[in-house]
Amino acid sequence: QQQVKQSPQSLIVQKGGISIINCAYENTAFDYFPWYQQFPGKGPALLIAIRPDVSEKKEGRFTISFNKSAKQFSLHIMDSQPGDSATYFCAASISARQLTFGSGTQLTVLP
Amino acid sequence: DTAVSQTPKYLVTQMGNDKSIKCEQNLGHDTMYWYKQDSKKFLKIMFSYNNKELIINETVPNRFSPKSPDKAHLNLHINSLELGDSAVYFCASRSGNTEAFFGQGTRLTVV
Repeated sequence: QQQVKQSPQSLIVQKGGISIINCAYENTAFDYFPWYQQFPGKGPALLIAIRPDVSEKKEGRFTISFNKSAKQFSLHIMDSQPGDSATYFCAASISARQLTFGSGTQLTVLP
Repeated sequence: DTAVSQTPKYLVTQMGNDKSIKCEQNLGHDTMYWYKQDSKKFLKIMFSYNNKELIINETVPNRFSPKSPDKAHLNLHINSLELGDSAVYFCASRSGNTEAFFGQGTRLTVV
């Protein structure tokens, strides 16, 4: 059972454009929702995270929008740059238990 | 200093062999994990471990076993390796319900 569903699988955006990746979860007990960025040959690294008591969190060009009633959250990358080209994973966890990851989105930002 | 370090980075071995992957974290975290990333980049939890509890993903074959000599180390032992075990294995650590830090990964190839 996939508890966190992520879309799209791949995304191509022009430089300067907005990249949007969506995730939906099933378990209402999840209380921590991070986004991870992974470059080829590297481990995932935390990009930004949100907790369910907040509807939006912004850090630089990266914003998480969180809709608790719909059980959905999304990552917005403003002014996308070629250096943002990577695989992005949404995830969710309950307390200190393991992170459950979405299936990943391969983002390509064209110069 | 590397926060979560894994060795080796690459591991090529024959079917039927037994191998180990080592993981060390210097962050003082109380929980460590092993994840498997398949060819489609899906990240699947294998084990979650702290000094009190080992949680095993029920889908993980019992040929895989975690060994924790102390709080800073969680090694992964794999017996009787199979072709399907080929993947990238990531170690991660975490303290409470916060950011998880990942190692650089170990690419295991079984031939």
